[in-house]
Amino acid sequence: QSVLTQPPSASGTPGQRVTISCSGSTSNIGSNPVNWYQHLPGTAPKIIIYGNDQRPSGVPDRFSGSKSDTSASLAISGLQSEDEADYYCAAWDNSLSAYVFGSGTNVIGL
Amino acid sequence: EVQLVESGGGLVQPGGSLRLSCAASGFTFSNYWMSWVRQAPGKGLEWVANIDQDGSQKYYVDSVKGRFTISRDNAENSVSLQVSSLRDEDTAVYYCVRSIGLSTSLWGQGTPLTVSS
Repeated sequence: QSVLTQPPSASGTPGQRVTISCSGSTSNIGSNPVNWYQHLPGTAPKIIIYGNDQRPSGVPDRFSGSKSDTSASLAISGLQSEDEADYYCAAWDNSLSAYVFGSGTNVIGL
Repeated sequence: EVQLVESGGGLVQPGGSLRLSCAASGFTFSNYWMSWVRQAPGKGLEWVANIDQDGSQKYYVDSVKGRFTISRDNAENSVSLQVSSLRDEDTAVYYCVRSIGLSTSLWGQGTPLTVSS
């Protein structure tokens, strides 16, 4: 069981806004920055949000992140077919002295 | 070209050992923390271990403590993961990662490890 909790799936029609939640605790999300990764089948995972809400260069601005207390969320505004992938939140956990990933959310286009 | 290339994976019997390696190129390797992350079949991503720039700080997930050892050779631009006392649940694709939580994060393509008799 993952330390960070995400819904197993999320879906939307093309152009729709999709949000993914990530719930943690004071020892991880409550104390440290949250990062989000996109993992397309057969490829290497890629960071799409770091430091709660920062986008690396090259990541489309339809991806955005936010954090409040011990929860975080990733939003995809204007879902595109190439966004169908698995998404993982992650943060350092001070109690475990470990980097913890969420359980992952599969985003499906309808 | 900036890249990470893993090698060393394969089929190992339970209780066995193996050394996974990751060759870095195209950047100043000694400037970065390095990590190993794995993904078991049908499962999500799991962080395995971290090592700092000079190898003085190392962290491990509880399930591999005492069995896995992360190390690096800055002269050779490489990071390794010595895996031993292998269990079925260690079967996974193992990814080498630079700066796992920063904008400079870079992942290799992964090397598969299968533990089976």
